[in-house]
Amino acid sequence: AQKITQTQPGMFVQEKEAVTLDCTYDTSDPSYGLFWYKQPSSGEMIFLIYQGSYDQQNATEGRYSLNFQKARKSANLVISASQLGDSAMYFCAMREVSGGSNYKLTFGKGTLLTVNP
Amino acid sequence: ETGVTQSPTHLIKTRGQQVTLRCSSQSGHNTVSWYQQALGQGPQFIFQYYREEENGRGNFPPRFSGLQFPNYSSELNVNALELDDSALYLCASSSSGGVYYGYTFGSGTRLTVV
Repeated sequence: AQKITQTQPGMFVQEKEAVTLDCTYDTSDPSYGLFWYKQPSSGEMIFLIYQGSYDQQNATEGRYSLNFQKARKSANLVISASQLGDSAMYFCAMREVSGGSNYKLTFGKGTLLTVNP
Repeated sequence: ETGVTQSPTHLIKTRGQQVTLRCSSQSGHNTVSWYQQALGQGPQFIFQYYREEENGRGNFPPRFSGLQFPNYSSELNVNALELDDSALYLCASSSSGGVYYGYTFGSGTRLTVV
């Protein structure tokens, strides 16, 4: 079973509008972290935002916010006021903390976001 | 504070050959992870090194091996290259301890096996 599911292979948004990228996850571990990364065509993974499983508030970082619904196991990324430079692949990832093995990120397949002028 | 540096950026190898990819971790980070990203896919975890010891491995065969050096830089070695090994190889460094592990990724090495 997939641990991270991103159901939108591609999304289009008009410049200056908001867009939501979906992510659902599956884990039985009570302690985990959720990440969103942006990957432009250059290949580098750029960290955008982090949400811990015990965090009470939804994470925000500038124009990025994470809509964390723990009961639904969803962690959607919201980008407000889209810019042309936001066009890239976006990956949702999860880090599970299990038995002291604080390692490895499990990634979804990504969503290609295109911002239109 | 420097980020994660990977070399080379691009590489073309022949099936059956061996390859070594290199990664310099971000200053202050003592843990290095390697990921393989096939075209159109999300990255897949290969393995992680902490204080020069492998402390986690994904579903990759033994011909994928690695090293971490005292300065926390790392190498990924792949023997007997196969066509399916063609991918972007990403290195990520992080610091141990704490609830939040900040992972910093390099720009990757794009390996083509022909």
